[in-house]
Amino acid sequence: NAGVTQTPKFRILKIGQSMTLQCTQDMNHNYMYWYRQDPGMGLKLIYYSVGAGITDKGEVPNGYNVSRSTTEDFPLRLELAAPSQTSVYFCASSRTGTASGNTIYFGEGSWLTVV
Amino acid sequence: GNSVTQMEGPVTLSEEAFLTINCTYTATGYPSLFWYVQYPGEGLQLLLKATKADDKGSNKGFEATYRKETTSFHLEKGSVQVSDSAVYFCALRGEGGGADGLTFGKGTHLIIQP
Repeated sequence: NAGVTQTPKFRILKIGQSMTLQCTQDMNHNYMYWYRQDPGMGLKLIYYSVGAGITDKGEVPNGYNVSRSTTEDFPLRLELAAPSQTSVYFCASSRTGTASGNTIYFGEGSWLTVV
Repeated sequence: GNSVTQMEGPVTLSEEAFLTINCTYTATGYPSLFWYVQYPGEGLQLLLKATKADDKGSNKGFEATYRKETTSFHLEKGSVQVSDSAVYFCALRGEGGGADGLTFGKGTHLIIQP
């Protein structure tokens, strides 16, 4: 019953450091997403992918990069961490298709602090 | 573009009280509507959804009806419990199943006191 798995769950970074948040799903979903959640602001889409080899920017992509080499994995890279990137990050996935009711499933979140 | 507006929190109620959390949306056509719940320290879980006008989603005693005429999807529960304390997010997914996922409201923090 794994679903969407993210690692690490907690991380503290120093300004300017780099890191990768890992995300994998075992539901054979083509669509995958990265969101960030800031207090009182809901969730904002960072990047999304409609399939292996295809990625696109969301609402707040600056400071991040992604890749999608396999259907299962969708890592999020922070190249030069900044305090503004302190947030909770959620990976998510869903089935393909035009049925807008397809549920989006979320991982448990990664709490990142940049100091 | 799409947007979701939900009532500001925190909302504090006593156990067994009636709950309403208001949610309205702006979108073209017929989006699908969702309520997600986030318990402290956890990720988001789907609570319920509705995919067309007049549909009622329900789960764990919670209900919400997709009202196209008022562009609303208010969450209700007849008798809340302390265990319902969480943050609730209203969200929509555009008609046609947009690959760019969900548009979220800012969340409503619900606190239930014994």
